Amino acid sequence: DIVMTQSPDSLAVSLGERATINCKSSQSVLYSSNNKNYLAWYQQKPGQPPKLLIYWASTRESGVPDRFSGSGSGTDFSLTISSLQAEDVAVYYCQQYYGPPLTFGPGTKVDIK
Amino acid sequence: QVQLVQSGAEVKKPGASVKVSCKASGYSFTGYYMHWVRQAPGQGLEWMGWINPNSGATNYAEKFQGRVTMTRDTSISTAYLEVSRLRSDDTAVYYCARSPDSLGTWGYWGQGTLVTVSS
Repeated sequence: DIVMTQSPDSLAVSLGERATINCKSSQSVLYSSNNKNYLAWYQQKPGQPPKLLIYWASTRESGVPDRFSGSGSGTDFSLTISSLQAEDVAVYYCQQYYGPPLTFGPGTKVDIK
Repeated sequence: QVQLVQSGAEVKKPGASVKVSCKASGYSFTGYYMHWVRQAPGQGLEWMGWINPNSGATNYAEKFQGRVTMTRDTSISTAYLEVSRLRSDDTAVYYCARSPDSLGTWGYWGQGTLVTVSS
């Protein structure tokens, strides 16, 4: 199984400041035949299902604000919120869909400082 | 618009079974895979498996094989998750989520169904 890890476990950022979450996979999730990274990011607020933010490591889902961006390749990835808004308080998960079982990172909680 | 509406909360005793439904609307039910993901209270997300509503083919995470059954009824655009031999650590919110294929990402999710296993 591909094990996903995230850092930090939690972070508190001032409104308008940048927040960066890191995600690492235990093996590469880059599929060589199409040069795509099978890595997604989700946002989950209390009492709600997860919401897809980013897929293919860096492609924003339709309707997701452009302050959210994803980067990385192979085994190391990051999600950046360029200017934190109050509505961004949530837990963020990375997820690999390179192969079954599909696995998630443990989550990173983002709060306002 | 795409909607996935799940059945209501359940309370079960250890050893019992539970069947959760996920009714799809707003798209062609047989054109997308349905995955099931669960989340124990205060914990992270755990993928359980998928069903191809078109063919009925399934793929379960190894952890759940033998205890989980995913089915569908195309006439009413509904997917089902049945978990048998329930244990206390099966207490979780169970989500259905739609993807374009077996390895796709999940742009649409059900609202979740809380299953509580308690004696």
